[in-house]
Amino acid sequence: DAGVTQSPTHLIKTRGQQVTLRCSPKSGHDTVSWYQQALGQGPQFIFQYYEEEERQRGNFPDRFSGHQFPNYSSELNVNALLLGDSALYLCASSLYQGFSGNTIYFGEGSWLTVV
Amino acid sequence: AQSVTQLDSQVPVFEEAPVELRCNYSSSVSVYLFWYVQYPNQGLQLLLKYLSGSTLVESINGFEAEFNKSQTSFHLRKPSVHISDTAEYFCAVREQGGSEKLVFGKGTKLTVNP
Repeated sequence: DAGVTQSPTHLIKTRGQQVTLRCSPKSGHDTVSWYQQALGQGPQFIFQYYEEEERQRGNFPDRFSGHQFPNYSSELNVNALLLGDSALYLCASSLYQGFSGNTIYFGEGSWLTVV
Repeated sequence: AQSVTQLDSQVPVFEEAPVELRCNYSSSVSVYLFWYVQYPNQGLQLLLKYLSGSTLVESINGFEAEFNKSQTSFHLRKPSVHISDTAEYFCAVREQGGSEKLVFGKGTKLTVNP
């Protein structure tokens, strides 16, 4: 049973460029969330997708956008990259149960370096 | 809004010694509480969670955490650590009522020395 898978694992981009990160949720899961983890910090919630719609959003600018596909996989897009966007981006998946105590599973992340 | 404070950024201990990683939270609503562990170059793994019932929860690898509502704390403990417990530990909360958003602390780096 595959867990949460993310690609690419590492990438380097130049300021001003755009990046797309991809995530496949754990088998049977229908909800995907994205987190940004800067060096030495805890993960910060970017947004959550369920039924192909953004359901909840954290305190991130509109440069951060996402998408969820019918097969529940998801993409995170970041436009006009800044040096401060350098971080580990974590994808998390869960099965929506209307219950916030359900277990959320994380992928190993995509390391983004902006130069 | 919720916030989580992990009082120690780094905790060095010797193998087989006991350890406590401290976590305090602030929230205007009821929350669920979680501890996640992150091994080097890996993602986060759920260690244990408190939802309701007994305030003492245990993980399969010997860690335990106790929910203290009056002190708004959820400290993580292990009576005897191993080298393999070296990792970063994150305390997190989620608002009860369906929100998927986890709010994390900044993490505590546990280093177990021989």
